[in-house]
Amino acid sequence: EVQLVESGGGLVQPGSSLRLSCAASGFTFDGFAMHWVRQVPGKGLEWVSGMNWNSDNIGYADSVKGRFTISRDNDRNTLYLQMNSLRAEDTALYYCTKGYCSSLTCYALDVWGQGTTVTVSS
Amino acid sequence: EIVLTQSPATLSLSPGERATLSCRASQSVSFYVAWYQQKPGQAPRLLIYDAVSRAAGIPDRFSGRGSGTDFTLTISSLEAEDFAIYYCQQRSNSITFGQGTRLEIK
Repeated sequence: EVQLVESGGGLVQPGSSLRLSCAASGFTFDGFAMHWVRQVPGKGLEWVSGMNWNSDNIGYADSVKGRFTISRDNDRNTLYLQMNSLRAEDTALYYCTKGYCSSLTCYALDVWGQGTTVTVSS
Repeated sequence: EIVLTQSPATLSLSPGERATLSCRASQSVSFYVAWYQQKPGQAPRLLIYDAVSRAAGIPDRFSGRGSGTDFTLTISSLEAEDFAIYYCQQRSNSITFGQGTRLEIK
């Protein structure tokens, strides 16, 4: 079964850091681009970041550029999102998602995890 | 940033009816548009990519069309499980999503 399982969310104070992880199984992880998408409860979807299969092509939304870092460990079948200088507006459910091919341009996201919640509040 | 505007915000229809959802881009995105369905408490599900291609396992009552700036998702005959929120997405310039269309039972 193809599966993505996120972890690492929690309640943190503004200005602090958090690292999200996404464990992938059921498919050849190093054959596909991976992305993070977030959603404020009751609101729409916002793409956060994505990377191609071998990490040499990475993109970020303007809202997180310079604060968040995406990475992957293909040996461990795991995607990460390092989030620094967190703000209240980063509060959301963070989804790990799989692109439908290996390139960063594979924007169609065909597998989604159930998400991990990040709450930034003092 | 390319802005995607979906209309209508809410669409009220009955099972068996045809649904047409619109997504308009602020500038051309070629054919790089995908559509997703999201039900309460669930992650989104990919329906359509590259404007017209159905994702694996998606019933053929779902179809997409369009290019450039104007795109539509059509559900030919609504079934009970189709009532949900639908989002369009583009990747021509970074990746952005529309604000969603809520398809509700009339």
